[in-house]
Amino acid sequence: DAGITQSPRHKVTETGTPVTLRCHQTENHRYMYWYRQDPGHGLRLIHYSYGVKDTDKGEVSDGYSVSRSKTEDFLLTLESATSSQTSVYFCAINQGSMNTEAFFGQGTRLTVV
Amino acid sequence: SQQGEEDPQALSIQEGENATMNCSYKTSINNLQWYRQNSGRGLVHLILIRSNEREKHSGRLRVTLDTSKKSSSLLITASRAADTASYFCATDSPGTYKYIFGTGTRLKVLA
Repeated sequence: DAGITQSPRHKVTETGTPVTLRCHQTENHRYMYWYRQDPGHGLRLIHYSYGVKDTDKGEVSDGYSVSRSKTEDFLLTLESATSSQTSVYFCAINQGSMNTEAFFGQGTRLTVV
Repeated sequence: SQQGEEDPQALSIQEGENATMNCSYKTSINNLQWYRQNSGRGLVHLILIRSNEREKHSGRLRVTLDTSKKSSSLLITASRAADTASYFCATDSPGTYKYIFGTGTRLKVLA
């Protein structure tokens, strides 16, 4: 597996609480992504980063924020978790050059009760 | 939504048969990639086809791309029970490295 680690792997939290998920890579890849996976929707892009402090929105960014202060870390924050944010979250990395593949983390299962 | 779609949503075949799944997308692309996901795991890259390519092979995998129809197909030949997984296509748009995934095809190969 590529050097990409998500933490925590599982989390249960209450509605209205803030939650931060961490993605850490050891590959020095420029691009990092956060996706959520829900039945019937496949993977949907939340936010992505194309460099330190450079981020952009994806398809389903409402209710989420991200930060990237170092090349190796990409944080996803749910400011006030809602039940609709119960999902499996995947981080991915990519070199950012033409015709290269993305490598995925193992996922974080988040349950908001 | 920019999301692509795959069809069928689910496919069940016998071991040894071929499996074909299709992907449609909405925007112009640099390349199209196929990924595989085993239950409860992250995605694993299978094959990449560039926008100027029409067909590509890798082992038992054959991918075609028709940019005029904005569609691609993945063929798995001589399927095995171990091929049971979900398969996703992903596209990026020129000028970005923002990967948009399709909704996936769940393949079940019966031994």
